[in-house]
Amino acid sequence: AQKITQTQPGMFVQEKEAVTLDCTYDTSDPSYGLFWYKQPSSGEMIFLIYQGSYDQQNATEGRYSLNFQKARKSANLVISASQLGDSAMYFCAMREDRNYQLIWGAGTKLIIKP
Amino acid sequence: DTEVTQTPKHLVMGMTNKKSLKCEQHMGHRAMYWYKQKAKKPPELMFVYSYEKLSINESVPSRFSPECPNSSLLNLHLHALQPEDSALYLCASSQDRQGASGYTFGSGTRLTVV
Repeated sequence: AQKITQTQPGMFVQEKEAVTLDCTYDTSDPSYGLFWYKQPSSGEMIFLIYQGSYDQQNATEGRYSLNFQKARKSANLVISASQLGDSAMYFCAMREDRNYQLIWGAGTKLIIKP
Repeated sequence: DTEVTQTPKHLVMGMTNKKSLKCEQHMGHRAMYWYKQKAKKPPELMFVYSYEKLSINESVPSRFSPECPNSSLLNLHLHALQPEDSALYLCASSQDRQGASGYTFGSGTRLTVV
């Protein structure tokens, strides 16, 4: 069964607009962590933001915020004021604390248009 | 130093060659990982080392042989590879296998088997 679902294979967004990348997850483990990574065409996997299952507040890191809706099992990434350099593949991943392995979504390819 | 360094960045090898990929980190992380990533797909876990001992081998063919000589270094020895092994190989590290403080990835080695 798919544990991490990213429903948007690709997205085109105008520069300076806000972007929401969707991620839903499935787990019965009460303790888990959710990650977003950015992968430009160069290949490096860049950590963006982390949300723990017991965190009360949504995580924020600069222009990135994570809209965590635990009851809906949703962990969407919001990028405010998009920039051309945001064009990349974005992966949502989950770590279940019972086995400590990262489970990855299929990714969303984001292209920012000037 | 907050980086994971992978060398070489690109590698082309014949099916009868023997080569090695190298990964180094100086963050004091005690867990290190090898991932294989095909184009437009998420990374697939290959091996996990925890405190320099192999803790997970995800049924990887024996033509891939990992080695962890010390806590800062992780190698992947390649022998008799097939063209379908062509991929981006990513190394990652975390403070420990629990990964609660996140995972740091290198920029990868793009491997082409001819």
